[in-house]
Amino acid sequence: NAGVTQTPKFQVLKTGQSMTLQCAQDMNHNSMYWYRQDPGMGLRLIYYSASEGTTDKGEVPNGYNVSRLNKREFSLRLESAAPSQTSVYFCASATGLGQPQHFGDGTRLSIL
Amino acid sequence: DQQVKQNSPSLSVQEGRISILNCDYTNSMFDYFLWYKKYPAEGPTFLISISSIKDKNEDGRFTVFLNKSAKHLSLHIVPSQPGDSAVYFCAASVASGTYKYIFGTGTRLKVLA
Repeated sequence: NAGVTQTPKFQVLKTGQSMTLQCAQDMNHNSMYWYRQDPGMGLRLIYYSASEGTTDKGEVPNGYNVSRLNKREFSLRLESAAPSQTSVYFCASATGLGQPQHFGDGTRLSIL
Repeated sequence: DQQVKQNSPSLSVQEGRISILNCDYTNSMFDYFLWYKKYPAEGPTFLISISSIKDKNEDGRFTVFLNKSAKHLSLHIVPSQPGDSAVYFCAASVASGTYKYIFGTGTRLKVLA
């Protein structure tokens, strides 16, 4: 019963490198989300996908792109990493509108 | 502009006593609220929710109270247990609008044995 699985768990990048964070859920959920969490701040929504085939910007989308590959998978891409993108990234999924979100255990990303 | 605020970064409570965690919001359009618990190196876990049509929701040791006029909600944990030591986040959304949740900054609860 995996729930939401994120890979990798840790990553160190150099400024300017690109990277894709992977997320997969096995709960047949319709909506999926990417958040970042920085020290002293709450989770901030980067992008979300209300259903397969759709994606929308959240609060802090600049510097990121996403792909909803299928109903299970939602990836987050950093095209040219910057030190300001050092953070913990969480993927989440939910059955739909107004439903609680289920989170993965996060990817800790450091950009030097 | 922080729409959801948790003004207490940390709270310590003795085992067996009540823990009260507070959350304030500014957007009167919010109509669905959730509490999440987060242990270190894990993702947040959903704890309890409340819709704006209610002023109280209970689930075992956890009760959430909503005061719409004050734009305030609180989470009560009774009795508190050492395993409750974690960071607690409140989140709010306009359930009828989008799928977006706005999270507070979290309160770190420490339950002392």
